[in-house]
Amino acid sequence: GAGVSQSPSNKVTEKGKDVELRCDPISGHTALYWYRQSLGQGLEFLIYFQGNSAPDKSGLPSDRFSAERTGGSVSTLTIQRTQQEDSAVYLCASSFPRRRPGTSGGRSYNEQFFGPGTRLTVL
Amino acid sequence: SQQGEEDPQALSIQEGENATMNCSYKTSINNLQWYRQNSGRGLVHLILIRSNEREKHSGRLRVTLDTSKKSSSLLITASRAADTASYFCATDHAGGTSYGKLTFGQGTILTVHP
Repeated sequence: GAGVSQSPSNKVTEKGKDVELRCDPISGHTALYWYRQSLGQGLEFLIYFQGNSAPDKSGLPSDRFSAERTGGSVSTLTIQRTQQEDSAVYLCASSFPRRRPGTSGGRSYNEQFFGPGTRLTVL
Repeated sequence: SQQGEEDPQALSIQEGENATMNCSYKTSINNLQWYRQNSGRGLVHLILIRSNEREKHSGRLRVTLDTSKKSSSLLITASRAADTASYFCATDHAGGTSYGKLTFGQGTILTVHP
C-alpha cells in the first residue's frame, strides 16, 4: 500500500516568506509526527497529532511554527516569516499505536513510518 | 536534553565485516528502536526492542538492550556495501505524557567499502 508522502520534496524560499509543508500519512494511522533534521544532525521532534488534536506541541521552536491536521489525515506544517535557521529537512511520520496487552491505559509499542521529507532552504 | 547518544559518530569497514553501533540514554524507556536513513531523507524502521527484552534478531541485525546501563547496541553481521547509511536509535520514554513520542540520537554514519 501507499506509504507516507510529503510535498513539496524541495522548497526554496526567501527570508521572511511563509511556507506550507504537507504530509499525507498512511491511511488509518491515527498518530502523526513532525520532525526537523538539520544537516548532519539527528531528528528534532516538533509536534505530535492523535487524530486531529495535538496533545504535544512541545517541540515547536517558536510561535512562527504551527501545524494542523484535518479529517484525521492530512497535516500541514506552516512556518511564518521564515528565517535562515529554519533551513532543514522536515520529516513527517505516522503510526498506528498499539496498546500493551493486559494493561489499561498502557504504553504503546509502535514503529513510525516516515515520509521522504521536505528539504527547506531559506535564502 | 538529548535522550539518545550514539557512538561512534562514524564507522568505516570493509564488506563482509561486522558493524557495531552503540546507543546510550538517560531516562527509563518503554522501548528502543533503531532506524536507518539513506541520503538524508526518510527513515526506515529496522527493529524495536522492549524494555523487558535483552536481545532481538532480525536477519543480519542483532540488537541488545541493557537497561541497567541504559544502553543498546546494533550489530550488523556480514556487512554489504548496500548497508551504507546513517543509523539512529530512538527511545520511547517511560512515564511520558506523549503517546509513542520518540527521541532520536545523533546517529552513526556507516560506510561499507566493497
